[in-house]
Amino acid sequence: DTGVSQDPRHKITKRGQNVTFRCDPISEHNRLYWYRQTLGQGPEFLTYFQNEAQLEKSRLLSDRFSAERPKGSFSTLEIQRTEQGDSAMYLCASSPRLAAYNEQFFGPGTRLTVL
Amino acid sequence: AQTVTQSQPEMSVQEAETVTLSCTYDTSESDYYLFWYKQPPSRQMILVIRQEAYKQQNATENRFSVNFQKAAKSFSLKISDSQLGDAAMYFCAYSGGGADGLTFGKGTHLIIQP
Repeated sequence: DTGVSQDPRHKITKRGQNVTFRCDPISEHNRLYWYRQTLGQGPEFLTYFQNEAQLEKSRLLSDRFSAERPKGSFSTLEIQRTEQGDSAMYLCASSPRLAAYNEQFFGPGTRLTVL
Repeated sequence: AQTVTQSQPEMSVQEAETVTLSCTYDTSESDYYLFWYKQPPSRQMILVIRQEAYKQQNATENRFSVNFQKAAKSFSLKISDSQLGDAAMYFCAYSGGGADGLTFGKGTHLIIQP
């Protein structure tokens, strides 16, 4: 299967710890997006990359959140000093360069639980 | 800022019947795209159907069709001949003309009664 993959699928951590999530987009998709989805809500856009360039990061929730895509392939999302309010599903999506409709293909998500 | 509103937190329909999910949005842009995504329980989100704002013709994908009313900023999804596999959360989403992130509504939980 060549869909978007995310790792880990589940992460339980204690408040104050740092966590990092990985996303592997569909091969040759040059756009990669991160979203957060809390219970009972739709996904909330956080940031996106075109190749290795992070073109939008003003929507990251705080300076504790950061994302990288160093070689334009996989991406990581890091949350430092986690808080209980960070508990959510973190979704990754990718889109091909020539996508006329900004159609995005989603991964299965990483569910974060902060104790 | 664009907003997407789904006013039906939950809908229920008998198998084989038709159901319509509502979505309204707010934007000042003239060129944009609208989507319906399906998120089955514990499974990833998949695209159901999309609509380009410049097209007057409503999009159709098999049993799924939309009623796009640009002036009213309304974008409803009709599911015909509902099947048990249609049970899921359905999200309406908006995209401006660029490559920015999507704006989603809160979703509608669709229940299919056998």
